[in-house]
Amino acid sequence: DAKTTQPPSMDCAEGRAANLPCNHSTISGNEYVYWYRQIHSQGPQYIIHGLKNNETNEMASLIITEDRKSSTLILPHATLRDTAVYYCIVRDGNAGNMLTFGGGTRLMVKP
Amino acid sequence: DAGVTQSPTHLIKTRGQQVTLRCSPISGHKSVSWYQQVLGQGPQFIFQYYEKEERGRGNFPDRFSARQFPNYSSELNVNALLLGDSALYLCASSSPRADTQYFGPGTRLTVL
Repeated sequence: DAKTTQPPSMDCAEGRAANLPCNHSTISGNEYVYWYRQIHSQGPQYIIHGLKNNETNEMASLIITEDRKSSTLILPHATLRDTAVYYCIVRDGNAGNMLTFGGGTRLMVKP
Repeated sequence: DAGVTQSPTHLIKTRGQQVTLRCSPISGHKSVSWYQQVLGQGPQFIFQYYEKEERGRGNFPDRFSARQFPNYSSELNVNALLLGDSALYLCASSSPRADTQYFGPGTRLTVL
């Protein structure tokens, strides 16, 4: 079973920041938080991941709370092309490559 | 650089038939994982292969099998197809030093 809880859907206005929350209250010390997105049943696209520090790359920022029980993915200036299902995944760094996907959040960016 | 490639893109089979799906990882990646995504759900892990050895298996019946070749490409085989095997089959690869997985575009299998 997925170790994360995400809202099933969210809306965001084009050009505004999209903040996607994720709860992972049972996360353990060696587990990473990964974010992927999937557009129109294409293959999932890697966005970002982190362990305990906040991370930023060209696509997004990942904010992890100090207790690591929740995180937020931030798309700073959402565009229509960011409309997708966003998956938050907790992955054990010592447990091989298996990713356990939950239901994700369907983000709709509106003009 | 080329990403993960999968073939074929689409496939239609009938119940009871067998199917083979193919995956080529990103150059330099030695690990390949397979996932099944049924319509409306998130992907489910099927197998992981690393250096031609199975390193992980999800909760799938023995009708599902896979292998990895010396060039790190991989095949997923499904025997005795059922209607419920209709899904998007995804392949992902990762490098030895970084565990981030990169997915291919998938193969859409329809079983009639």
